[in-house]
Amino acid sequence: GIQVEQSPPDLILQEGANSTLRCNFSDSVNNLQWFHQNPWGQLINLFYIPSGTKQNGRLSATTVATERYSLLYISSSQTTDSGVYFCAAVFYNQGGKLIFGQGTELSVKP
Amino acid sequence: ETGVTQTPRHLVMGMTNKKSLKCEQHLGHNAMYWYKQSAKKPLELMFVYNFKEQTENNSVPSRFSPECPNSSHLFLHLHTLQPEDSALYLCASSLRSPGLAGGGQETQYFGPGTRLLVL
Repeated sequence: GIQVEQSPPDLILQEGANSTLRCNFSDSVNNLQWFHQNPWGQLINLFYIPSGTKQNGRLSATTVATERYSLLYISSSQTTDSGVYFCAAVFYNQGGKLIFGQGTELSVKP
Repeated sequence: ETGVTQTPRHLVMGMTNKKSLKCEQHLGHNAMYWYKQSAKKPLELMFVYNFKEQTENNSVPSRFSPECPNSSHLFLHLHTLQPEDSALYLCASSLRSPGLAGGGQETQYFGPGTRLLVL
């Protein structure tokens, strides 16, 4: 069925390290977003990236739509990067609903 | 981001209480959403409204009653909830509703959420 899978489920990093988070999706999408949920629950938009590559400061994302995956890169991680990272997709012919993955919980240690 | 606000931020209620959650968006969007996030689970879509009309009810129990008086405000009325309804309730908005042409292709913006505890 239609699904969004994220890996790894948990990640612990030392401050300054780089990381790659992966999102696999089961079918063609016309919307893919990455979010960061901070410890207070706020979901912060990181990228709208149904295809291609985008960069925003220390973060960048790449979606390869033909191979049905997206990657989120975090470079020189900081303690403020801690939280849960969600990938969410809108699949064609599924009524336009945003389907969320299970998230990757990132903890950056000082 | 302050484009979508939610009140209250925290709520504790008994199973016989009636309470309401409020969401307001200042982004000029036409579509608004309620999501539920239980512990250690991904967000689940509950309701979608487009121009004040409900376009999606994702099999939500009737003890949750949404109301959308205009495209900027969205309420979730709660009554006779169960302890398993304890969760983070998130409101979101987008320029257009999913289901409309191109509507699913737009960014959704989320409010800070209401943490609900049902005793």
